[in-house]
Amino acid sequence: GESVGLHLPTLSVQEGDNSIINCAYSNSASDYFIWYKQESGKGPQFIIDIRSNMDKRQGQRVTVLLNKTVKHLSLQIAATQPGDSAVYFCAERTGGYQKVTFGTGTKLQVIP
Amino acid sequence: DTEVTQTPKHLVMGMTNKKSLKCEQHMGHRAMYWYKQKAKKPPELMFVYSYEKLSINESVPSRFSPECPNSSLLNLHLHALQPEDSALYLCASSQDPGTGASPEQFFGPGTRLTVL
Repeated sequence: GESVGLHLPTLSVQEGDNSIINCAYSNSASDYFIWYKQESGKGPQFIIDIRSNMDKRQGQRVTVLLNKTVKHLSLQIAATQPGDSAVYFCAERTGGYQKVTFGTGTKLQVIP
Repeated sequence: DTEVTQTPKHLVMGMTNKKSLKCEQHMGHRAMYWYKQKAKKPPELMFVYSYEKLSINESVPSRFSPECPNSSLLNLHLHALQPEDSALYLCASSQDPGTGASPEQFFGPGTRLTVL
């Protein structure tokens, strides 16, 4: 996705509920799609990735879904916790395995 | 050691100053990156070094000059910057990108740069 505007989209979720963060990507040639979490004052932290030839991958409490038909990526977080509060970025890898382009972030707010 | 360190944490400089940002990793990674991040925006790729050679320059102005002295160190030399260059500068590293390995990048905490 492209970065637009000055305001981050925000998702507010009750603690214990599941969260779904969505992302639209642009490059059909990307070989990997990645989710990063960025907490305030820190650098991005890798969460999970998925190869372009897959449509689902699960990690610990997280699931990434890839729909290449509509160029859509989602991150599902199960049983959301206060520590999950952060900005989440999707990213895609292109350019001979070296170039990673970040999409517009989504701010996740967990309500205790 | 799975940490990427960056110094300094904060830097304030005038438009005529020359300063350098430093980044270090000891994970044996052979790719290192510089990103620029403005508030409420995603990181934007500036430079990529692969095996200590500059492999990607995203049309960055020449007032930013990267250097990779060895496989563990990455510098960003700054000269004659503009106020709009104020941002968080992030360094990252990853495994050999040419093998098709996971694209996971390890990021440092960044240097918060203010240009007056």
